[in-house]
Amino acid sequence: QKEVEQNSGPLSVPEGAIASLNCTYSDRGSQSFFWYRQYSGKSPELIMFIYSNGDKEDGRFTAQLNKASQYVSLLIRDSQPSDSATYLCAVTTPGGTYKYIFGTGTRLKVLA
Amino acid sequence: DAGVTQSPTHLIKTRGQHVTLRCSPISGHKSVSWYQQVLGQGPQFIFQYYEKEERGRGNFPDRFSARQFPNYSSELNVNALLLGDSALYLCASSFGLAREQYFGPGTRLTVT
Repeated sequence: QKEVEQNSGPLSVPEGAIASLNCTYSDRGSQSFFWYRQYSGKSPELIMFIYSNGDKEDGRFTAQLNKASQYVSLLIRDSQPSDSATYLCAVTTPGGTYKYIFGTGTRLKVLA
Repeated sequence: DAGVTQSPTHLIKTRGQHVTLRCSPISGHKSVSWYQQVLGQGPQFIFQYYEKEERGRGNFPDRFSARQFPNYSSELNVNALLLGDSALYLCASSFGLAREQYFGPGTRLTVT
């Protein structure tokens, strides 16, 4: 079992729709959760971070964390063609040493 | 404000050689992490440094080493380069441990 799992996609949604991206993680003690957007040939860009159970909203983006079920999701409202990119989920592992574990990413295509 | 900076942008090396990559964090950030990203995969965690001490290490061989300087900048060193070390090397900075990280533009390393 991978430590952080994402559906590779592509996930295709029409312009203006809600895109829903999901991520599951294996370590129940994971502490911090992040979503990054990565355009082809560029470095990852931080979109959202969430540290406690529940929802966190920032503009068109909402991150949802459910520690009991070990999943974190990202909702993108009013999707735009410029949102087309790979979305990476990352978690930090607990313990005396710190690791950031990334999933392989979900490719999102927003169709105009 | 300046973001995370990395140098060089691109690098071509021969198998067996050594390489040093450099990173300057966002002003005020005390932690720097290094990642390796190959095409189609998420970033793989190599190291995290905080206040000049190693606080996290990924599953990379001892050929990989790093250090953080008093001004919080960092170097990643890779010895005895292999063809498989060809990748995008990313540096990310954060204010503290297990906190949100911001990535630099990366160094593209090609080993021939």
